[in-house]
Amino acid sequence: EVQLVESGGGLVQPGGSLRLSCAASGFTFSNYWMTWVRQAPGKGLEWVANIKQDGSEKYYVDSVKGRFTISRDNAKNSLYLQMNSLRAEDTAVYFCARLHYDSSGRPGFDIWGQGTMVTVSS
Amino acid sequence: EIVLTQSPGTLSLSPGERATLSCRASQSVSSSYLGWYQQKPGQAPRLLTHGASTRATGIPDRFSGSGSGTDFTLTISRLEPEDFAVYYCQQYGGSPWTFGQGTKVEIK
Repeated sequence: EVQLVESGGGLVQPGGSLRLSCAASGFTFSNYWMTWVRQAPGKGLEWVANIKQDGSEKYYVDSVKGRFTISRDNAKNSLYLQMNSLRAEDTAVYFCARLHYDSSGRPGFDIWGQGTMVTVSS
Repeated sequence: EIVLTQSPGTLSLSPGERATLSCRASQSVSSSYLGWYQQKPGQAPRLLTHGASTRATGIPDRFSGSGSGTDFTLTISRLEPEDFAVYYCQQYGGSPWTFGQGTKVEIK
């Protein structure tokens, strides 16, 4: 079964750090771009970061640049998000997702994890 | 940044009715780089379309997408009970990738 499972969320104080993990199974992880998307409580979706198959390219939304780092370990079929200098506005459910291109090169996040909650509060 | 504005915010319809959801971009987006997602409460989003009009694997044909440039539409031809959810459009054409704010389709 194709699956993504996130872990590592929790309660952290403002200014603190947290590392999220996403374990992939059921597909060849190293063949895909991967992404993190977040959703604040009661709000919409926000793309956070992407990473290329070999980790050589990474892209971030401006609001997390310099604070968050996306990485991956293809040998462990795992995706990570290191979050530093956390702020209250980073409070959200964080989803990892697989970026899939169809036969015509059109992208889409076709596999999602169940999400992990990050709460930044004192 | 490309801003996606979805309308209406909420659509109140009955099962069997047709739903028409709009997504308007602040600048032109290639139809290959505009997609739609469905999200139910407590669940992860589900990919509905690759590009503006190509259904993703396993998506029923009552879902159809269309549009080009700055105006895109998702149509659900006959609402089934499981279709009541929030729908998001997303663009992959400009950095950063952005989502619309969502349209909630609720039971009337």
